[in-house]
Amino acid sequence: GDSVTQMEGPVTLSEEAFLTINCTYTATGYPSLFWYVQYPGEGLQLLLKATKADDKGSNKGFEATYRKETTSFHLEKGSVQVSDSAVYFCALSEIGNQFYFGTGTSLTVIP
Amino acid sequence: EPEVTQTPSHQVTQMGQEVILRCVPISNHLYFYWYRQILGQKVEFLVSFYNNEISEKSEIFDDQFSVERPDGSNFTLKIRSTKLEDSAMYFCASRRGGQTDTQYFGPGTRLTVL
Repeated sequence: GDSVTQMEGPVTLSEEAFLTINCTYTATGYPSLFWYVQYPGEGLQLLLKATKADDKGSNKGFEATYRKETTSFHLEKGSVQVSDSAVYFCALSEIGNQFYFGTGTSLTVIP
Repeated sequence: EPEVTQTPSHQVTQMGQEVILRCVPISNHLYFYWYRQILGQKVEFLVSFYNNEISEKSEIFDDQFSVERPDGSNFTLKIRSTKLEDSAMYFCASRRGGQTDTQYFGPGTRLTVL
């Protein structure tokens, strides 16, 4: 079945550091891949998505590339800010079906 | 920008009581979902709903759970007799349909069963 494996946290970085959060997936078909972010006390917000192999999703300085050969969708940001502190969830969905989420990675950015 | 809304934000109930969690999906969306997140664990799918019927449900969604779209705007999740292990954050999501696969999530309802 479909599943997502996400890098364990928590992750603590200094401001302006480089961020990578690893995500790999298993899917029976051709899923779309997503990163959602959950700020403290809030719900899940779509951060970025990619719908097919080699697509790159990007938003707010975050990027992730859909790599079919390595079944990965790693999240990166070149220079994190304190305001990026949140929990990040990798997810996949095959159109019309449920989302499968990773366990979430908590990121804390310190000034 | 349209968004999914959920009420209440926090619900506290006694074990064995019935609760109804409410969601207002984005107005032109046709597919609706409930997920839950037990504290510290991953977000888990409960049920999907389309055309006034359940289209898919997980093993978690047993006879204690039901969903309803009582009017043109609300989408509800009912738990008939709550258990301690039902304590979780419950997220509603909606999707427009067609080839659009992005689901938009509400802010969640934190359910605490005592």
